[in-house]
Amino acid sequence: ELKVEQNPLFLSMQEGKNYTIYCNYSTTSDRLYWYRQDPGKSLESLFVLLSNGAVKQEGRLMASLDTKARLSTLHITAAVHDLSATYFCAGIYGGATNKLIFGTGTLLAVQP
Amino acid sequence: NAGVMQNPRHLVRRRGQEARLRCSPMKGHSHVYWYRQLPEEGLKFMVYLQKENIIDESGMPKERFSAEFPKEGPSILRIQQVVRGDSAAYFCASSLRQGRDTGELFFGEGSRLTVL
Repeated sequence: ELKVEQNPLFLSMQEGKNYTIYCNYSTTSDRLYWYRQDPGKSLESLFVLLSNGAVKQEGRLMASLDTKARLSTLHITAAVHDLSATYFCAGIYGGATNKLIFGTGTLLAVQP
Repeated sequence: NAGVMQNPRHLVRRRGQEARLRCSPMKGHSHVYWYRQLPEEGLKFMVYLQKENIIDESGMPKERFSAEFPKEGPSILRIQQVVRGDSAAYFCASSLRQGRDTGELFFGEGSRLTVL
């Protein structure tokens, strides 16, 4: 069964700094998703990565996928306080059911 | 186009009572997923349903939990004889799953169950 691991679990960073969140998964996953969750809120879809080598960018966030290494990264450039949230990656398990398996999440706290 | 609608948003139950959580998928979506999130944890898959069918319930506890998605009306997640360990946020998600759909799930705001 697919297992998804994220690191770090907690990340405290200062505004203006860069950092990367890593997402490793255990078996083949054709697609990789990144979601953002604010406290007490639902999950907001950030990126859907569909193929090996896919790179997507939105504002200060950039996500990439390496299916051979079973690794996805979420890179944060020049962090701002508004990016403080929990970020989850998720892989697909069982193609017919499209079931998402989530990582444990990375709590990002951007200090002003 | 309204998103995924869940209600109630907050529900308090005493041990032994029943909890019913409702989910209306996005317009045009016929695939519904339920996930549970314990405090400070990730989301755990519970069940996947299509209209009138349970497709995958591998994440559902063997007892007390059931789910349905009738031909008409919302999907229902039902928890009988709740215990304190059932306290969690329950998220519903829907997807389109047609043609070149990316399989992306769209999540509702969640229902937060507290068992006293």
